[in-house]
Amino acid sequence: DIQMTQSPSFLSASVGDRVTLSCKASQNINKYLAWYQQKLGEAPKLLIYNANSLQTGIPSRFSGSGSGTDFTLTISSLQPEDVATYFCLQHNSWPLTFGSGTKLEIK
Amino acid sequence: EVQLVESGGGLVQPGSPLKLSCAASGFTFSSNWLNWIRQAPGKGLEWVASINPDGSSTYYPDTVKGRFVVSKDNAKNTGYLQMNNLRSEDTAMYYCARTLGGSRDYWGQGVMVTVSS
Repeated sequence: DIQMTQSPSFLSASVGDRVTLSCKASQNINKYLAWYQQKLGEAPKLLIYNANSLQTGIPSRFSGSGSGTDFTLTISSLQPEDVATYFCLQHNSWPLTFGSGTKLEIK
Repeated sequence: EVQLVESGGGLVQPGSPLKLSCAASGFTFSSNWLNWIRQAPGKGLEWVASINPDGSSTYYPDTVKGRFVVSKDNAKNTGYLQMNNLRSEDTAMYYCARTLGGSRDYWGQGVMVTVSS
């Protein structure tokens, strides 16, 4: 099984900060990587697919990069409404696996 | 408008079966993969099952293989997750989702399953 390792587990940043979240795969997953945002009490919402494609309706301050084993989600200017837990998902091979998440809070 | 609505959750005893439903609307259900993902209270996300658009292929992780069965009725625009021999560790919010990881990715609001005596 492919293990997905997210870091950090917890991040506190200020409004307006540039924030970078990491997701590393235990083996090559090409660009089959998605990023999700989950706010408290809500279902996850897709932000980025195919590692760097912005989902329709998602603000342009969110961007994704990477391929192979190392991936990054960047929020260019953190907003209060970005408080959430962020998960990555690899769908290169079965079983599909999620990272353990990064909880993002406002300082 | 795309909608996925889960139902069928509840409190069950260990060893019991339970069948979840996922009613779809607003898109061509027969052309899309259906997936089930769960989240234990306060924990992360775990993929549980996937079925291809025509229902001919199914996929499961080892944690549920042999106990869970995913299906879809394209005529009724409804997907199902039959869960057998439930264990306490199956306690979670269960989400159905369309086409995980791609641009057509969309999740329902989830249904809670509690396994306890």
